[in-house]
Amino acid sequence: GESVGLHLPTLSVQEGDNSIINCAYSNSASDYFIWYKQESGKGPQFIIDIRSNMDKRQGQRVTVLLNKTVKHLSLQIAATQPGDSAVYFCAETALSGYSTLTFGKGTMLLVSP
Amino acid sequence: DTAVSQTPKYLVTQMGNDKSIKCEQNLGHDTMYWYKQDSKKFLKIMFSYNNKELIINETVPNRFSPKSPDKAHLNLHINSLELGDSAVYFCASSQDSTTNEKLFFGSGTQLSVL
Repeated sequence: GESVGLHLPTLSVQEGDNSIINCAYSNSASDYFIWYKQESGKGPQFIIDIRSNMDKRQGQRVTVLLNKTVKHLSLQIAATQPGDSAVYFCAETALSGYSTLTFGKGTMLLVSP
Repeated sequence: DTAVSQTPKYLVTQMGNDKSIKCEQNLGHDTMYWYKQDSKKFLKIMFSYNNKELIINETVPNRFSPKSPDKAHLNLHINSLELGDSAVYFCASSQDSTTNEKLFFGSGTQLSVL
């Protein structure tokens, strides 16, 4: 299940389950969104991105859904594996100009064998 | 063949000292960044350089001085270290700052100020 821990929201799932990680973004002007995965002791790693002219994009085992009306982004991971255990961040920015990439709070995904 | 590499991986030092973290990218990107990640995993941008020029400075104390000798390098020098500087510092790069395409991150430098 999903819980809000002392520091990071944590999602605990069993291997083979589908995982859904949610993110509420803040800036209505943002038109580009990225999901990053950060494993312990490593830097964030790009997973998938989506532009605001789309509401769904699929990658290998991952799908990102964008709902601009409620400023909500989700990352779906199919058939979650222990190697998917990490902290997941959504990030938003505007594609033009010197707008920076703003990261969300992060969700820890724990996958049990 | 590491894309974005930063050194050192760990840095333990006393309050008041001056230290540097180095970053290099071999992706041919024009833009480099420094991010700070606190104990709650929150990632916040500190600086952004495009072709050796500073374009973003996010209200970081002037004890932090980035230096970009060329567009493949962005080093971070920190003077008079304070306890609150303890964090993980990430270097990153992207193709072009104006299009804000995806960032590639280094593996981080964990700074512990005692």
